[in-house]
Amino acid sequence: GQQLNQSPQSMFIQEGEDVSMNCTSSSIFNTWLWYKQDPGEGPVLLIALYKAGELTSNGRLTAQFGITRKDSFLNISASIPSDVGIYFCAGQFTGANNLFFGTGTRLTVIP
Amino acid sequence: DTAVSQTPKYLVTQMGNDKSIKCEQNLGHDTMYWYKQDSKKFLKIMFSYNNKELIINETVPNRFSPKSPDKAHLNLHINSLELGDSAVYFCASSHRRSATNEKLFFGSGTQLSVL
Repeated sequence: GQQLNQSPQSMFIQEGEDVSMNCTSSSIFNTWLWYKQDPGEGPVLLIALYKAGELTSNGRLTAQFGITRKDSFLNISASIPSDVGIYFCAGQFTGANNLFFGTGTRLTVIP
Repeated sequence: DTAVSQTPKYLVTQMGNDKSIKCEQNLGHDTMYWYKQDSKKFLKIMFSYNNKELIINETVPNRFSPKSPDKAHLNLHINSLELGDSAVYFCASSHRRSATNEKLFFGSGTQLSVL
């Protein structure tokens, strides 16, 4: 299967700090997505990216589709306690039906 | 209103039993999926159905059998449960297959524990 590696694996930050995480793949994807999973819930879509180099924001979240199409980045500015959760990147091929998920970054925000 | 709902939320059972997990979506989507999340939180696709037709079947033991009575439902039946089947199973749906802007919406998961 496809290998998508996320780093860091986990992060502990103070409330108000900015966060950066990234995702790299051995394959070229046509779509990159970022999901967040809260405890006991399913992943929820945060941002979708469709073109290499694309930079997209959703509130305090900003994500970028890497130029090589093999990576993507997610930044969270001014973190708050409810940002706690596991963040997953996901890649999709054109014409494919499913997503390939990254290994996840677990974020803990200390108030 | 829950968009993708799956039941039960928790399922505890003995090895060797047969169990089913149900999933329903009210989004009008025509593609549904089952994903498995292991103890390390890795999410991997198991099956995908489009308009009741099986289109993805990853290397999953044939003890797992999905059934789609209509495009709003995709159930997962598991025979002869094994310890290694313990995981969280997520149902998901999307608008249509092979779309470049396909976005998956997930249910809240079924935590299966096999004792």
